[in-house]
Amino acid sequence: DAGVIQSPRHEVTEMGQEVTLRCKPISGHDYLFWYRQTMMRGLELLIYFNNNVPIDDSGMPEDRFSAKMPNASFSTLKIQPSEPRDSAVYFCASSPSSQGNSYEQYFGPGTRLTVT
Amino acid sequence: AQSVAQPEDQVNVAEGNPLTVKCTYSVSGNPYLFWYVQYPNRGLQFLLKYITGDNLVKGSYGFEAEFNKSQTSFHLKKPSALVSDSALYFCAVRDHNTNAGKSTFGDGTTLTVKP
Repeated sequence: DAGVIQSPRHEVTEMGQEVTLRCKPISGHDYLFWYRQTMMRGLELLIYFNNNVPIDDSGMPEDRFSAKMPNASFSTLKIQPSEPRDSAVYFCASSPSSQGNSYEQYFGPGTRLTVT
Repeated sequence: AQSVAQPEDQVNVAEGNPLTVKCTYSVSGNPYLFWYVQYPNRGLQFLLKYITGDNLVKGSYGFEAEFNKSQTSFHLKKPSALVSDSALYFCAVRDHNTNAGKSTFGDGTTLTVKP
């Protein structure tokens, strides 16, 4: 299995531009999570999906952030417009489940976003 | 509500010595507990988990963790540390009574193993 795939691995953009991060979860996993990691705030859960449905988006910082999961094998996290404080490493993770409960998470390599 | 605490930001040990990275948790029901490791410029990597059963859980790379319900702890241990174990370690908890999908992660502990 290729593991969780994220693209791009690095993104440098100017303030005000739209940024789209992409994730392909591990096949058969029905939970998908988006995290952000910074030195100041550590690892933050932004949003997670179960069977392609958003379950909890309380961690999404503001309306500039949006996430979608159109099918079981693809998710996007979009920032529009981007700001310098959005600079961080964004991780996607997926998790298998049993009887509706998720277990360990498998993380992608992350996308390092720099907004100038 | 569920929460987890890693009381040490940094742990330093000499190669060959035993290591312990501490984790305590709080849940309203019974916990699922996890340890993850993050090497520089990499994503988090699952090490081991406690779901139920034996309190001593063995995982990848020679790591183990002991679930202690009375002390609400799940400390990560290794009998003999390697320089290559140097990384950032995260403890995570999920309350299986909530039937919620998300885990709560600790702030992480940086382990440095010196030759």
